[in-house]
Amino acid sequence: SQTIHQWPATLVQPVGSPLSLECTVEGTSNPNLYWYRQAAGRGLQLLFYSVGIGQISSEVPQNLSASRPQDRQFILSSKKLLLSDSGFYLCAWSVGWTGGTAGELFFGEGSRLTVL
Amino acid sequence: AQKVTQAQTEISVVEKEDVTLDCVYETRDTTYYLFWYKQPPSGELVFLIRRNSFDEQNEISGRYSWNFQKSTSSFNFTITASQVVDSAVYFCAASGSGNTGKLIFGQGTTLQVKP
Repeated sequence: SQTIHQWPATLVQPVGSPLSLECTVEGTSNPNLYWYRQAAGRGLQLLFYSVGIGQISSEVPQNLSASRPQDRQFILSSKKLLLSDSGFYLCAWSVGWTGGTAGELFFGEGSRLTVL
Repeated sequence: AQKVTQAQTEISVVEKEDVTLDCVYETRDTTYYLFWYKQPPSGELVFLIRRNSFDEQNEISGRYSWNFQKSTSSFNFTITASQVVDSAVYFCAASGSGNTGKLIFGQGTTLQVKP
């Protein structure tokens, strides 16, 4: 069966420090991968998605970047965190788009980032 | 571009009441998919249902039911005989255009079921 894990679960970082959140998927190949952010009391905002190794699409201009060094690994990074980067970050995967079918997303446990 | 609106920010009901969560979507695509997710206090999103735009049949799964109406661009979710364990944030989502599989989420509705 497929599983998705992301870490760390909780992170408290000072403004200006770097960030690295990691996400890995097991039990599937060539998944689509996504990073979403959920600000306090708000909905889910898509930050990045990837349909293959090295292929990253950014949805919102911001202080963050994403990379996909391996097929089932997705990393969210920042060189210098801002206060506004605080939030709950969720990694997700889906089966690649086949025959016009959009599959459901499966989410990781989430990483709660607090920038002080 | 796709847009999903969940006008109800918070709903509070007493256990055993029925409750309907509204979802209205906008899309220019002829083929699209709609979803509902549940986010319990633990934070992880749990997939509930997926419907494609060609299937307007209502679906029932236990105490959960979904009403999809293309004429009003709505995909509403009803919980019958609500329970305290149903307390969570519920998100409606629509598939984005193209072959990326990305989902556009509504702002979510917080449901509180009181004993």
